[in-house]
Amino acid sequence: DIQLTQSPSFLSASVGDRVTITCRASEGISSYLAWYQQKPGKAPKLLIYAASTLQSGVPSRFSGSGSGTEFTLTISSLQPEDFATYYCQQFNNYPLTFGGGTKVEIK
Amino acid sequence: EVQLEESRGGLVQPGGSLRLNCVASGFTSSDHHMDWVRQAPGKGLEWVGRIRNKAHSDTTQYAASVKGRFTISRDDSKNSLSLQMNSLKIEDTAVYYCVRVSYISGWFSDYWGQGIQVTVSS
Repeated sequence: DIQLTQSPSFLSASVGDRVTITCRASEGISSYLAWYQQKPGKAPKLLIYAASTLQSGVPSRFSGSGSGTEFTLTISSLQPEDFATYYCQQFNNYPLTFGGGTKVEIK
Repeated sequence: EVQLEESRGGLVQPGGSLRLNCVASGFTSSDHHMDWVRQAPGKGLEWVGRIRNKAHSDTTQYAASVKGRFTISRDDSKNSLSLQMNSLKIEDTAVYYCVRVSYISGWFSDYWGQGIQVTVSS
């Protein structure tokens, strides 16, 4: 199975900060990676697919990059509504797998 | 508007069975791969399984943790899919999400149901 390791697992940041989350795959997954945002009690929401393509309706402060085994999700200027947990997911091989999550909290 | 609505969750004893249902609206579910994803209390997301689209003959794929116990199927007349869960274990306790999968230069899960609670307990 492909393991996805997210780092950090927790981060504390302020409104306006630039935030970067990393997702490392245990083997190459090309660009078959998506990022999701989840708020408490809600379903995940798609942010980025194909590693770097912004889903329609998602603010442009979110961006994704990477290919192969290392990927990043960047929030250029953190907004109050961005405090949530973020997950990566690989679609290269079965079983599909998720990273362990990164919780972004208010400093 | 695309919507997914899960139903028929609840409380079941270990070793018991439960069948979750997911009704799709705003699109034809048989045109898409459809996944089930679960989230145990306080934990991360876990992919449970997939039923591929009609073009791929509705074939299925499962996580090792549920293979042989869970079965995904479709009912095209109702634009719905089901997750039949047998031999349930305490560790199957989770919120279960029905998820639409799409492809545009890469795969992604673009629509999720609201989730339904399944609790396995004696």
